[in-house]
Formats: sequence, C-alpha cells, structure tokens
Amino acid sequence: DAKTTQPPSMDCAEGRAANLPCNHSTISGNEYVYWYRQIHSQGPQYIIHGLKNNETNEMASLIITEDRKSSTLILPHATLRDTAVYYCIVRASTGANNLFFGTGTRLTVIP
Amino acid sequence: DVKVTQSSRYLVKRTGEKVFLECVQDMDHENMFWYRQDPGLGLRLIYFSYDVKMKEKGDIPEGYSVSREKKERFSLILESASTNQTSMYLCASSPPPAGFYEQYFGPGTRLTVT
Repeated sequence: DAKTTQPPSMDCAEGRAANLPCNHSTISGNEYVYWYRQIHSQGPQYIIHGLKNNETNEMASLIITEDRKSSTLILPHATLRDTAVYYCIVRASTGANNLFFGTGTRLTVIP
Repeated sequence: DVKVTQSSRYLVKRTGEKVFLECVQDMDHENMFWYRQDPGLGLRLIYFSYDVKMKEKGDIPEGYSVSREKKERFSLILESASTNQTSMYLCASSPPPAGFYEQYFGPGTRLTVT
C-alpha cells in the first residue's frame, strides 16, 4: 500500500472549514484513499473514502486531485467535537485486509 | 448503529501472566481485527479473521494468538505477558468484502504489564 504524508498538527477556528491535506504521490491505480479519525480515548472512526472522484457524506467531503497524488479532507463547519487525530490511508481493493494507520494529523478546533 | 465492545477499558497484569482480551460485535460482520496502538507508531495490525475459526497474521503477531469460535467474538491472547506488550489494544470489525470498506472500532483496552 502507498505511503501517505500528513502534517502533524493543525488548528481551525470553530465554525470554519477545516481542510486537512494528505500526500500520496506513489498511489497506484487500484488504491483507494480512506480517512479515519480518532477522538481522544476512543477507537478510530471511519469518515469517508474515494478512488478518483470527489466524495461527500454527512460528515465530510473528500477532494482528490486529478493526478491522485494528493487529497484533502474538508470538514465544512468544524465544531469542538471534531478535535481529533485524522488519518489518511491508502490501500488497494485487493490484497491485505488491514488498514495501515500512520501518525495522522492532530486537528485542534479552537473556540 | 454498529457496536463493537471490548471486555475492559483498562487492565493491569503482571509479567508472565496469560491475558485474554475479548471483542464482540453485533452486526454479523465476517471480518474482525486486532490492532495495537503506540505513540509515534500509529496502529499496527496483530491478527485478523475473515470467518469463524479462520485467522491470518498481521504485521506484528509475535507473542500473540487469537481465537474465533463464534462469528461475533474475536479474542486476543497474550500467552505470557511482557512489559513491551503494554499498549492500547483496539478491535475492529467490517462487512465483506474482506474489510475493503469501513472498519468499525471498539473503544480500546489500555493494557499495562508490570
């Protein structure tokens, strides 16, 4: 599975959009981009995933660049409860069944 | 809502003890996973199971074993606990195909081995 690079930490003002970047320059054609988050003292929570088209659900939007070498997770109106570590994961649709979680981005939403 | 529960939130054991960590999911998922999480290392997969009585080694299976006798239950066993197994242990489950889509995680068990 391709390696991902994320900034270690970010701040965002409450009510503003939080844009979390992820680089995955070695992604291959059959690899999907997943985002999870982990709020302190809880297990990780699935947010969204995509292949090449932009995706949106009730939690977030995922924007994937045309060359697929990077993506951005957007939380449109961040709240204090969105403070968490956000993990960007790239994995293929075949092969190992696990998800490789790196060290993620610690997002702090500031009142 | 999918629910994944783990038997304990906090556990303290002595070196050499046999430790059982239990995980139960209520969504009839075929796939279940055990991870450990350590600062600076992210989550690392220990074992996973894609069916009853089936198991596959993950990235760091040494010192661990697992048991899946029923579909809803996946147990992690530390045969002889050591201090380097002090960690947060997370269980997850997912529907087919084979964990491709989202995994649902339990709250975690923080194990301390003294």
